[in-house]
Amino acid sequence: EPEVTQTPSHQVTQMGQEVILRCVPISNHLYFYWYRQILGQKVEFLVSFYNNEISEKSEIFDDQFSVERPDGSNFTLKIRSTKLEDSAMYFCANRQGLNQPQHFGDGTRLSIL
Amino acid sequence: AQKVTQAQTEISVVEKEDVTLDCVYETRDTTYYLFWYKQPPSGELVFLIRRNSFDEQNEISGRYSWNFQKSTSSFNFTITASQVVDSAVYFCALSEASSGNTPLVFGKGTRLSVIA
Repeated sequence: EPEVTQTPSHQVTQMGQEVILRCVPISNHLYFYWYRQILGQKVEFLVSFYNNEISEKSEIFDDQFSVERPDGSNFTLKIRSTKLEDSAMYFCANRQGLNQPQHFGDGTRLSIL
Repeated sequence: AQKVTQAQTEISVVEKEDVTLDCVYETRDTTYYLFWYKQPPSGELVFLIRRNSFDEQNEISGRYSWNFQKSTSSFNFTITASQVVDSAVYFCALSEASSGNTPLVFGKGTRLSVIA
């Protein structure tokens, strides 16, 4: 079964540094999402993306965050200047159509020191 | 506003017991989807089931079954004859469908521990 692939699996970064999390979605799945999960807490929506633009974003997704599909296949989440509270598991998800379930990648664990 | 409540934070059962995980949701939409995801200790999110708001039929898949009741806004999940491998955090989630590309709203999760 096709999978959503996320890299790296674990990223350790100094506070204030930029970080880019990468996602290779399932081919022909058109809707993209980023979620995050702070350790021990629930999964929270960050941003949705369709047709090369943001569909919706949460209040968490402030100016420090950006998303893009740089080469038409990969889907990236960039955090410009990381803070300690950005430490979390970040999940990429995508789905083929609006009435299809979202399939999640295995996540990237981001640790900010 | 959408909201998903999983009142049970942690449940512990002995292997082979049945266990039910509760999920109550709130939405103003008449068209929506409900989901259950499993998060094992390794951390990934595994899709288990999706239900749309027009289909109240209960579903059974092996040892798993789901009871959707619109009258009580609940979508409960039962594991029959639990096994140690069922130990995980289980998340219930909701997605409103009437306004396009809406995200999933998750509950806080229920941590299930199955003891041998």
